[in-house]
Amino acid sequence: AQKITQTQPGMFVQEKEAVTLDCTYDTSDPSYGLFWYKQPSSGEMIFLIYQGSYDQQNATEGRYSLNFQKARKSANLVISASQLGDSAMYFCAMREVPMDTGRRALTFGSGTRLQVQP
Amino acid sequence: DTEVTQTPKHLVMGMTNKKSLKCEQHMGHRAMYWYKQKAKKPPELMFVYSYEKLSINESVPSRFSPECPNSSLLNLHLHALQPEDSALYLCASSQGFFREGENGYTFGSGTRLTVV
Repeated sequence: AQKITQTQPGMFVQEKEAVTLDCTYDTSDPSYGLFWYKQPSSGEMIFLIYQGSYDQQNATEGRYSLNFQKARKSANLVISASQLGDSAMYFCAMREVPMDTGRRALTFGSGTRLQVQP
Repeated sequence: DTEVTQTPKHLVMGMTNKKSLKCEQHMGHRAMYWYKQKAKKPPELMFVYSYEKLSINESVPSRFSPECPNSSLLNLHLHALQPEDSALYLCASSQGFFREGENGYTFGSGTRLTVV
């Protein structure tokens, strides 16, 4: 079963507008972390924002904010005032520590390609 | 230094060749990771090293052989690869296998591998 689901393969947004990228996750681990990464065509994975499962407030980092709804198991990324340089692939990822394996590494969603139009 | 450096950036190799990918970080991170990313797909975990010891091998074929000579360096040795192994290989590091800070995982820019 998919651990991380991103249902939007592609999104378009006008420059200077806000856009929301959806992410839902599935875990039975009470302690987990949710990450968003940006991957331009050059290939590097750029860390954007982090939300811990016990964090009471939604994370914010500059123009990025994370709309964390724990009961719905969703962690949507909101980008405000989009810029042309925001055009890239965006991945939602989760770190969990299942009791049976103890493994701790990132699992990625399928990604959303965002295109910002002038 | 807050970077993970991967070399080479591009590599073309034949199916009978032996080559190595290199990953280096000087952030004092004690966990290092190899991911494989096919075109238009998300990264998939291959190996995890924690304190220079192999902690996770995600059933990767033996033609991929990881090595962690010290806490700053991670290699991926390649031998007898197949064309379907062509992909972007990403290295990442984190503060520790059992803990990481809010910034979590730092990725390198990857090595684009083409097997001919």
